[in-house]
Amino acid sequence: DGGITQSPKYLFRKEGQNVTLSCEQNLNHDAMYWYRQDPGQGLRLIYYSQIVNDFQKGDIAEGYSVSREKKESFPLTVTSAQKNPTAFYLCASSFSHTTDTQYFGPGTRLTVL
Amino acid sequence: QKEVEQNSGPLSVPEGAIASLNCTYSDRGSQSFFWYRQYSGKSPELIMFIYSNGDKEDGRFTAQLNKASQYVSLLIRDSQPSDSATYLCAVQSNTNAGKSTFGDGTTLTVKP
Repeated sequence: DGGITQSPKYLFRKEGQNVTLSCEQNLNHDAMYWYRQDPGQGLRLIYYSQIVNDFQKGDIAEGYSVSREKKESFPLTVTSAQKNPTAFYLCASSFSHTTDTQYFGPGTRLTVL
Repeated sequence: QKEVEQNSGPLSVPEGAIASLNCTYSDRGSQSFFWYRQYSGKSPELIMFIYSNGDKEDGRFTAQLNKASQYVSLLIRDSQPSDSATYLCAVQSNTNAGKSTFGDGTTLTVKP
């Protein structure tokens, strides 16, 4: 059963804590992405990776970090430097980084307490 | 000016009517255009993609692209209450390292 999974579905963070969001895909896609969505707004790109062991900053990378040690996995860490992290986080993947359809995971809703 | 702009909405149509969703973009190097549907609290799912000028039809959905006018639209014929969702336009350009840029979305409500 192919697809993209994200965990957890809901995450609560205290001020000053780092948290890591998981994203796994078994679609054999080379490219993976992290987006942030705030209420009533579109998706904003945080980081993307075109291939294993390589990743690039998106439009709003400050306060976030990623790794791509395996093709299947692209975890996102929300650090304490991210001042307003409450949002809906979406992971996506595609066969390649150029002119290709992106498929989305179910998302993680992060709330700062 | 935003890179990708959509009707601010919300858009309300009666069941069975045609819903028209519009999107304009600023990067003339854009090559790929996508429409996603997003139900409240869920992740986006792909409805259609279009690369060439003209119309592309898939069931009740038709995407229209006019690169000269930098305009892409989505028509939904015979609208159903289950079509009620937010529709996101995404534009991908090789001049922007292949990154996709999303509009803020248009919320559609189909009234029975």
